[in-house]
Amino acid sequence: NAGVMQNPRHLVRRRGQEARLRCSPMKGHSHVYWYRQLPEEGLKFMVYLQKENIIDESGMPKERFSAEFPKEGPSILRIQQVVRGDSAAYFCASSPRTNTEAFFGQGTRLTVV
Amino acid sequence: EDQVTQSPEALRLQEGESSSLNCSYTVSGLRGLFWYRQDPGKGPEFLFTLYSAGEEKEKERLKATLTKKESFLHITAPKPEDSATYLCAVQAGNYGQNFVFGPGTRLSVLP
Repeated sequence: NAGVMQNPRHLVRRRGQEARLRCSPMKGHSHVYWYRQLPEEGLKFMVYLQKENIIDESGMPKERFSAEFPKEGPSILRIQQVVRGDSAAYFCASSPRTNTEAFFGQGTRLTVV
Repeated sequence: EDQVTQSPEALRLQEGESSSLNCSYTVSGLRGLFWYRQDPGKGPEFLFTLYSAGEEKEKERLKATLTKKESFLHITAPKPEDSATYLCAVQAGNYGQNFVFGPGTRLSVLP
């Protein structure tokens, strides 16, 4: 049973470009969470999705950031017109249902130059 | 204000020197408390879930306990490979379904 798969592991973008981060949850998991981690800082919640629905996006910046979890395929976190402050590690986690543990992927490290 | 704190911020132990890490929370409607381990450059690795005060879970040299206000992660006779950042997280009614993480405790176990 493969774990949560994130790709790419490392992504370099120039300021103003778009970044697309992908997350394939564990088999049988329909709940996906995205977190951001800055160097030497904690994990900050961004968005929680179930298949085809955004349940909670209270941690997502209002502009330039969007997320989706389509019926088929991975969850996508999209950052438009990236700025240097977007440089961070982005982690995805999945769980099979509510009120239970979530399992994390290895993250995508985004560097904006 | 609802929050999750962890102490100490960093801890250095000699191999075999047992200790405890603390996670304190001030939330209403706790639905679960979770412990994770994170190695540098990696994603958090799940360790334990605790749901109610008095509950305990054990795995190898680690034991997690929960009270109404805090959780402890006890490390017995640690080894250098136990060196990592240990994170606790809560799911609580007023946070919806997301996990709110504490800042973590950086543990170093010296041989």
